[in-house]
Amino acid sequence: EDQVTQSPEALRLQEGESSSLNCSYTVSGLRGLFWYRQDPGKGPEFLFTLYSAGEEKEKERLKATLTKKESFLHITAPKPEDSATYLCAVHGSSNTGKLIFGQGTTLQVKP
Amino acid sequence: ETGVTQTPRHLVMGMTNKKSLKCEQHLGHNAMYWYKQSAKKPLELMFVYNFKEQTENNSVPSRFSPECPNSSHLFLHLHTLQPEDSALYLCASSQDLLNTEAFFGQGTRLTVV
Repeated sequence: EDQVTQSPEALRLQEGESSSLNCSYTVSGLRGLFWYRQDPGKGPEFLFTLYSAGEEKEKERLKATLTKKESFLHITAPKPEDSATYLCAVHGSSNTGKLIFGQGTTLQVKP
Repeated sequence: ETGVTQTPRHLVMGMTNKKSLKCEQHLGHNAMYWYKQSAKKPLELMFVYNFKEQTENNSVPSRFSPECPNSSHLFLHLHTLQPEDSALYLCASSQDLLNTEAFFGQGTRLTVV
């Protein structure tokens, strides 16, 4: 059964303090791993898609990496506006387009 | 308009009411999805439509009834809901069932009283 686990559940950082969020996954065949950002009361906003181990994607202060068992979302020199919940999802063995989501990591960046 | 639009943004309904949620996508995608997001739980897939045909019903109770009249529109008809059905209901779309980079609407916050 496809499974996604995110850690930590919550993370507090000072502005400028870099860190990483983890997404561990178990799938029978990875078709894609996705990162989303979700602000309170809003829908998830697409950030990145990763398809194969070794792949990396960057956007502003965010960088996503992928291995065969996990993905990391690295946040470099975060700002208060980076505060949000970050969701990881995988498209595994399903032929129905079903994404399996983790519970998310809630990031708070203090000025 | 661009992206995925959901209406209404907020809905309060009694357990005997009937209401509908609407979703429209302007991305030219062929697959559309309904997800449920409850507090402290991961997003949970409810239904999948591909080219207007339902391809997945994730064991959803019959009090939730989806409708997809075309590839751009998706509805979720609600009737005789329970308080535990209160949640954020999210619509999403993707190119198809293989290219599953999904784009979400802002959601409908549903409260059942």
